[in-house]
Amino acid sequence: NAGVTQTPKFQVLKTGQSMTLQCAQDMNHEYMSWYRQDPGMGLRLIHYSVGAGITDQGEVPNGYNVSRSTTEDFPLRLLSAAPSQTSVYFCASSRTSGRAREQFFGPGTRLTVL
Amino acid sequence: GDSVTQMEGPVTLSEEAFLTINCTYTATGYPSLFWYVQYPGEGLQLLLKATKADDKGSNKGFEATYRKETTSFHLEKGSVQVSDSAVYFCALSEGSGNTPLVFGKGTRLSVIA
Repeated sequence: NAGVTQTPKFQVLKTGQSMTLQCAQDMNHEYMSWYRQDPGMGLRLIHYSVGAGITDQGEVPNGYNVSRSTTEDFPLRLLSAAPSQTSVYFCASSRTSGRAREQFFGPGTRLTVL
Repeated sequence: GDSVTQMEGPVTLSEEAFLTINCTYTATGYPSLFWYVQYPGEGLQLLLKATKADDKGSNKGFEATYRKETTSFHLEKGSVQVSDSAVYFCALSEGSGNTPLVFGKGTRLSVIA
């Protein structure tokens, strides 16, 4: 049971490049989400999904796209990278039933945009 | 909307000192409350949780009590260790499983020997 996995661990992009951050979970969780973590800002929700084929925007969705074609995978796409997207990105998953459901986080991807 | 406010850091303590990290929340309903911990270079992991008023969550010597009357969920530990150095996040969850968690901004704790 690998939990939540993210690739790559580190990435450097040039302004305007595109890339996809990968996230996968093997716990059969319906709910998956992407956060970015910046100094002094805590965690900010980018996009989330409550099941395959269903996605919704979070607090800071601009510049990012997501899709959920399977229960296991929830990739985050940067269409045209900007220096403001330099951050650490975390993927998380949880079941959707129950009030006290635990979110499981991946180890993060550290992205630098030059 | 819902929100979580936790004390600003960083907090620096000597080993074996008492720790309190304050957390208050605003919610329209009756949320569940959580503390997550992030060790250096890692993702967040659940530390403890409480789902109803007066519940006490506890784990690894940490405790927090759900206080509905003061809308608070303060984290405490009687004797911190160097290994407790991390960033601590208070969070709430309200309603159904389709509702995202709401996080505070995190409090960095450094424990020195």
